[in-house]
Amino acid sequence: QQQVKQSPQSLIVQKGGISIINCAYENTAFDYFPWYQQFPGKGPALLIAIRPDVSEKKEGRFTISFNKSAKQFSLHIMDSQPGDSATYFCAASNTGGFKTIFGAGTRLFVKA
Amino acid sequence: DAGITQSPRHKVTETGTPVTLRCHQTENHRYMYWYRQDPGHGLRLIHYSYGVKDTDKGEVSDGYSVSRSKTEDFLLTLESATSSQTSVYFCAARGDVSNQPQHFGDGTRLSIL
Repeated sequence: QQQVKQSPQSLIVQKGGISIINCAYENTAFDYFPWYQQFPGKGPALLIAIRPDVSEKKEGRFTISFNKSAKQFSLHIMDSQPGDSATYFCAASNTGGFKTIFGAGTRLFVKA
Repeated sequence: DAGITQSPRHKVTETGTPVTLRCHQTENHRYMYWYRQDPGHGLRLIHYSYGVKDTDKGEVSDGYSVSRSKTEDFLLTLESATSSQTSVYFCAARGDVSNQPQHFGDGTRLSIL
């Protein structure tokens, strides 16, 4: 019940294309869903986050879509660029909780 | 990020030796975490702390211990390192408010031969 399942494990996209990464959760107590971006040799850093009271959040080329009934959320990267090549983690946590549960990660490669 | 420094950044050691990794933060965050990152497993929580001298186990705590004697420092110790503990270790910190992001250090690459 504490798991967050992330797919795909790896993704190759052409420059200018749309990258889509999906996550699913089971614990309905989760109420905060951040996405982290990690470059080689660096720690993960917050990219964008959503709470379940909205179905979509957009920041520049990055959009989170959230489906509360299906317990799924996804990251869309529009106009993908080679500089977006990184590992992306979805995550979930709940109010009052100490922990964040991370997905297994998706390695994105954007071909120039 | 957010003033989190890990040391050392790289370490190679032999099986059976003790190893201590240090995490130092300058933001006075209450919560601190140690994760290990391995291919196919993402980030797995080893131990976490919710205050000075207050720590608890995560999902992969066997073989690891932690200590937090000051708000700014969180130490991870491998009492007797094994090859299965070869990994990249990340420290993270978070403030008091729930549902805020964690801020990560840049990791320690640990190789146990």
